[in-house]
Amino acid sequence: AQSVAQPEDQVNVAEGNPLTVKCTYSVSGNPYLFWYVQYPNRGLQFLLKYITGDNLVKGSYGFEAEFNKSQTSFHLKKPSALVSDSALYFCAVSLYNFNKFYFGSGTKLNVKP
Amino acid sequence: EAGVAQSPRYKIIEKRQSVAFWCNPISGHATLYWYQQILGQGPKLLIQFQNNGVVDDSQLPKDRFSAERLKGVDSTLKIQPAKLEDSAVYLCASSFRGQGRETQYFGPGTRLLVL
Repeated sequence: AQSVAQPEDQVNVAEGNPLTVKCTYSVSGNPYLFWYVQYPNRGLQFLLKYITGDNLVKGSYGFEAEFNKSQTSFHLKKPSALVSDSALYFCAVSLYNFNKFYFGSGTKLNVKP
Repeated sequence: EAGVAQSPRYKIIEKRQSVAFWCNPISGHATLYWYQQILGQGPKLLIQFQNNGVVDDSQLPKDRFSAERLKGVDSTLKIQPAKLEDSAVYLCASSFRGQGRETQYFGPGTRLLVL
């Protein structure tokens, strides 16, 4: 069965410090990986994606993620966190032809001033 | 460019009642998705349309849920009859058919409370 795991329900980080939000996946075949962010009472917003090519992908708002095939991970990172980054982050995986999407359970990021 | 529109934004009903949600995707987007997001969980794909055809509805509880996209543009998701466990946010998303089709654009969602 295909699945996505976000092992941390919540991540707390001080403003200005680097942040990491973890994601691991289990799929058969080549995965396509995504990060979305959700602010309160709003829909999900696309941050970045890995389809093929360079394992390090850069996205919106200074976020980046590294695809690690051997560890089946796709962790989200940012060198310097902002208070405005506080939100709910979802990792997602898609299979062939983008016809099936599976989302993780989400990680709440709290950035304190 | 207008985003994905959904209505209503909030709905409160009693169990065994019926409810319908509407979604208008971004203009030109051929693919439309309906997700159910229960509090504390990630979105779960209920149904995916390509134009007016169903691509995947394997996780749609077909005994009570139905969806249609008759003209390949806007879509309606219906629950009949509703159960308490249907309380959730229902998200609609759309994407291109061609290059960039892997990126979904989400609407604000409809928050359903079943009492």
